[in-house]
Amino acid sequence: KQEVTQIPAALSVPEGENLVLNCSFTDSAIYNLQWFRQDPGKGLTSLLLIQSSQREQTSGRLNASLDKSSGRSTLYIAASQPGDSATYLCASNAGTALIFGKGTTLSVSS
Amino acid sequence: DTGVSQDPRHKITKRGQNVTFRCDPISEHNRLYWYRQTLGQGPEFLTYFQNEAQLEKSRLLSDRFSAERPKGSFSTLEIQRTEQGDSAMYLCASSLGWTAREAATNEKLFFGSGTQLSVL
Repeated sequence: KQEVTQIPAALSVPEGENLVLNCSFTDSAIYNLQWFRQDPGKGLTSLLLIQSSQREQTSGRLNASLDKSSGRSTLYIAASQPGDSATYLCASNAGTALIFGKGTTLSVSS
Repeated sequence: DTGVSQDPRHKITKRGQNVTFRCDPISEHNRLYWYRQTLGQGPEFLTYFQNEAQLEKSRLLSDRFSAERPKGSFSTLEIQRTEQGDSAMYLCASSLGWTAREAATNEKLFFGSGTQLSVL
């Protein structure tokens, strides 16, 4: 059974810092790994999707990497801004449905 | 708005009542998923449909939970005899789906804003 773990559970940084969010998964037989953003009381917004054959994906200030062999993914956020404050969720896709971690709640202070 | 739509946004009910939620997926999407999310947790997969066929329902939390997708369009999730432990955000997502393994690697899910259920 696939399990997804995210570390840290919460993170507070001052504006402008670069930061890394970590995600690990137990079953490396995945189709893809996805990162989402969730604002309080809202649904999920897709940020990045990394296919199983890829090593990384970039979108603006976001860069996500995937190492299937070690069961790890990281989300790198450059030059953080207060508007980045949200919960970030990673999810592995093994074919039936996405399996989510509990998320990392990020707070960026101005 | 051409995104995934969920109705209602909020539902307050008394323990023992039945509730039904509706999800309208993006029009050309043939896969539809239901998830449940409790405070401080990631979304938990419940069930999904490929067109009108329900392909996985073993993850539904109990026999009080049921889902339908008539004609492969909108979907409903019903909870019978609600309990306080059913209080959660219920999320719906849709995707284009895939038939070939290669396409599965690029399946992207689009989520609705969810229905927040409170059972008193």
